Amino acid sequence: DTEVTQTPKHLVMGMTNKKSLKCEQHMGHRAMYWYKQKAKKPPELMFVYSYEKLSINESVPSRFSPECPNSSLLNLHLHALQPEDSALYLCASSYPGLAGPKNIQYFGAGTRLSVL
Amino acid sequence: KQEVTQIPAALSVPEGENLVLNCSFTDSAIYNLQWFRQDPGKGLTSLLLIQSSQREQTSGRLNASLDKSSGRSTLYIAASQPGDSATYLCAVRPNQAGTALIFGKGTTLSVSS
Repeated sequence: DTEVTQTPKHLVMGMTNKKSLKCEQHMGHRAMYWYKQKAKKPPELMFVYSYEKLSINESVPSRFSPECPNSSLLNLHLHALQPEDSALYLCASSYPGLAGPKNIQYFGAGTRLSVL
Repeated sequence: KQEVTQIPAALSVPEGENLVLNCSFTDSAIYNLQWFRQDPGKGLTSLLLIQSSQREQTSGRLNASLDKSSGRSTLYIAASQPGDSATYLCAVRPNQAGTALIFGKGTTLSVSS
């Protein structure tokens, strides 16, 4: 099973709403990632969790709040977003480590977020 | 700062052609390089991963090469098919602990039947 599952697939929210994106994997990976991708642009890293601890925060605004409750689950809590935050949010996971055939990032299908 | 560039940005070919997509990176200090495919509005599918010590990887009609010293990788697609139409992204993993992938902007491929 090489699947990363993201829910919901689509989300429309107002600027005052609070919502959460969910990502799940059961491959035993201990590194999980959130990327943001705008139309016709490459994915941009937001956060990295390694062994359930936040190891990278790419200066993301506090209206995005990540959470890693356990080794299989990664959440992204959203609050007071702006219309420019509308994008495809991608989750990925990988076996942590510096090299080797297991060091492949597997991506989910993404959540298409629209902020009105 | 590592930068990844992909050329061309877009490519249109008739079915059956062999084609090459190019990726270059500015810092040769990488652990690996990964090629992805992305269909419109979808997530990323990993195609091939090349470790820094390797020269090439093959999967079916796809062959990826890596020349780390010159900062270049190519993705060769043999006998292209309309189903190959997608955006192809190249990403490098810098050899620093805790860092994630750095992506190029991609090449959008269109294969006509």
